[in-house]
Amino acid sequence: EDQVTQSPEALRLQEGESSSLNCSYTVSGLRGLFWYRQDPGKGPEFLFTLYSAGEEKEKERLKATLTKKESFLHITAPKPEDSATYLCAVSGGTSYGKLTFGQGTILTVHP
Amino acid sequence: DVKVTQSSRYLVKRTGEKVFLECVQDMDHENMFWYRQDPGLGLRLIYFSYDVKMKEKGDIPEGYSVSREKKERFSLILESASTNQTSMYLCASSPGRPQETQYFGPGTRLLVL
Repeated sequence: EDQVTQSPEALRLQEGESSSLNCSYTVSGLRGLFWYRQDPGKGPEFLFTLYSAGEEKEKERLKATLTKKESFLHITAPKPEDSATYLCAVSGGTSYGKLTFGQGTILTVHP
Repeated sequence: DVKVTQSSRYLVKRTGEKVFLECVQDMDHENMFWYRQDPGLGLRLIYFSYDVKMKEKGDIPEGYSVSREKKERFSLILESASTNQTSMYLCASSPGRPQETQYFGPGTRLLVL
């Protein structure tokens, strides 16, 4: 069974204090790893898809990386508007199209 | 940009009512999904559809049914609403093989009294 574990559950940063969120996964035959951002009361917003170990993608202050066992979402010099829940998901194995989601990391950035 | 819309942002219903939640996507995506999201339980898949008139059960289908008569529209039906179905309901779509990235709608917060 596919499993995704995100850590920490919650992270509080000061504005400008860079850090990383972790997503550890167990899946048979990874096809893709997905990062989403979710603001309170809204649907998840797609950020990145990573397909193979060593791949990296960037968007503004966010950079996602992938290894064979985990993915990191690096946040450089965060701003209060980066506060949100960040969700990680994977696709793999025989369950085409279905994603397995982690529980998310709640990020709070204080000014 | 991909756009997924849901018929209501907030909905209040009575126990025993039949409830329809509708989702429409405008990008000609093959796959559509219904999830519910509850604090501490994360996103849970209710039903999904790979094609028009096709549906498959997700992880928690009990008490729900779905309908997909047209490619762009996927409806979730609560046959007889119960208080434990109070939740945030999220619809998503994805293009189809080999692309599995899902794009989500804004969500419907349902309260069953």
